Amino acid sequence: NAGVTQTPKFRILKIGQSMTLQCTQDMNHNYMYWYRQDPGMGLKLIYYSVGAGITDKGEVPNGYNVSRSTTEDFPLRLELAAPSQTSVYFCASSSAGKTGNTIYFGEGSWLTVV
Amino acid sequence: GENVEQHPSTLSVQEGDSAVIKCTYSDSASNYFPWYKQELGKRPQLIIDIRSNVGEKKDQRIAVTLNKTAKHFSLHITETQPEDSAVYFCAASKAGFQKLVFGTGTRLLVSP
Repeated sequence: NAGVTQTPKFRILKIGQSMTLQCTQDMNHNYMYWYRQDPGMGLKLIYYSVGAGITDKGEVPNGYNVSRSTTEDFPLRLELAAPSQTSVYFCASSSAGKTGNTIYFGEGSWLTVV
Repeated sequence: GENVEQHPSTLSVQEGDSAVIKCTYSDSASNYFPWYKQELGKRPQLIIDIRSNVGEKKDQRIAVTLNKTAKHFSLHITETQPEDSAVYFCAASKAGFQKLVFGTGTRLLVSP
């Protein structure tokens, strides 16, 4: 049971390039999320998904896209990378119960846009 | 929507002292309050959570208290150790599937 696995761990992008951050979970969780964390700051939700085929915007979705074709995978696409997207990206998943949803995070992907 | 405020932003204590981090939330319908610990360069990890049907929960040196009337909850760490040094995040959400809203984090430094 690997939990939440995301790749790559580190990446440097040039302005205007595009890339996809991969995320997969093996806990059979319905809910998956992408967060970004700027240096010394908290976690901001980019996109989330409540199940295969369903995605929705979080607090900071501009410049990103997601898809959820399977329960396990939730890739995050960065289009036309900008320096403002330099951040640490965390994929996460949860299995919401009736009284709250414990979120499990991946190890993070450090992205620098130059 | 829900808004979570967290204080202090930085907390320095001596080893063996207690540390208290406080959070307030705005949505009275919120009923799930987890705390995450994030060590430098690592992922956030759940350390304790509390649901609205209880007022306090303890796990060894860590405890969380919840005051639903005042809409605030707190993390208490007793007998702090240097390995407790990290950033701690509180969060809140409502029943069923609801997005967790995180506080801005508290950087705890425990000096030997």
